[in-house]
Amino acid sequence: GENVEQHPSTLSVQEGDSAVIKCTYSDSASNYFPWYKQELGKGPQLIIDIRSNVGEKKDQRIAVTLNKTAKHFSLHITETQPEDSAVYFCAAPNQAGTALIFGKGTTLSVSS
Amino acid sequence: KAGVTQTPRYLIKTRGQQVTLSCSPISGHRSVSWYQQTPGQGLQFLFEYFSETQRNKGNFPGRFSGRQFSNSRSEMNVSTLELGDSALYLCASSLAGTPTEAFFGQGTRLTVV
Repeated sequence: GENVEQHPSTLSVQEGDSAVIKCTYSDSASNYFPWYKQELGKGPQLIIDIRSNVGEKKDQRIAVTLNKTAKHFSLHITETQPEDSAVYFCAAPNQAGTALIFGKGTTLSVSS
Repeated sequence: KAGVTQTPRYLIKTRGQQVTLSCSPISGHRSVSWYQQTPGQGLQFLFEYFSETQRNKGNFPGRFSGRQFSNSRSEMNVSTLELGDSALYLCASSLAGTPTEAFFGQGTRLTVV
């Protein structure tokens, strides 16, 4: 937590392609890494998360990988669809472990 | 199961006024966190409450305050509003005292004119 960097800030893909968003964090004690999807006019929605004792987690077309040594984690979306278009945020706990520190977000556009 | 409810959804206030926003967490959730979202700064942490106690506060001026009630509902207050306070204010609730599986409300869109 405390500092979370997210790349890229924008990502455009064709329907059916894969999309990858990467985040790095600074606090090596962080143990929980969620990803949120925010659609226009709505609050962020938790779509997948991973804990530090797991290297990869998959849920249908989305997956998250974690590399604790390098302090980075990634969101993978396969077979993208137009409804995947949204802003995606990664996060990690703050040092106190009481709240989340968010990356700046990635605007994903999927064109058909 | 009802989600996190924030009221009101939209607010327009004048500079210098004060405003109170409300957040009702998911039933059974005891932790409520507040965030400010702006296009330039993204999602920034304001403060977190657990069992009526503020445990953490972000880097915001003292004009921003909050509280949590015994039923876990929370309010945040901004006094002496400035134009730069215009933002989407989001609250998130989680079951225990950690931010794991935190769920957000729709937010309150505050416009200061």
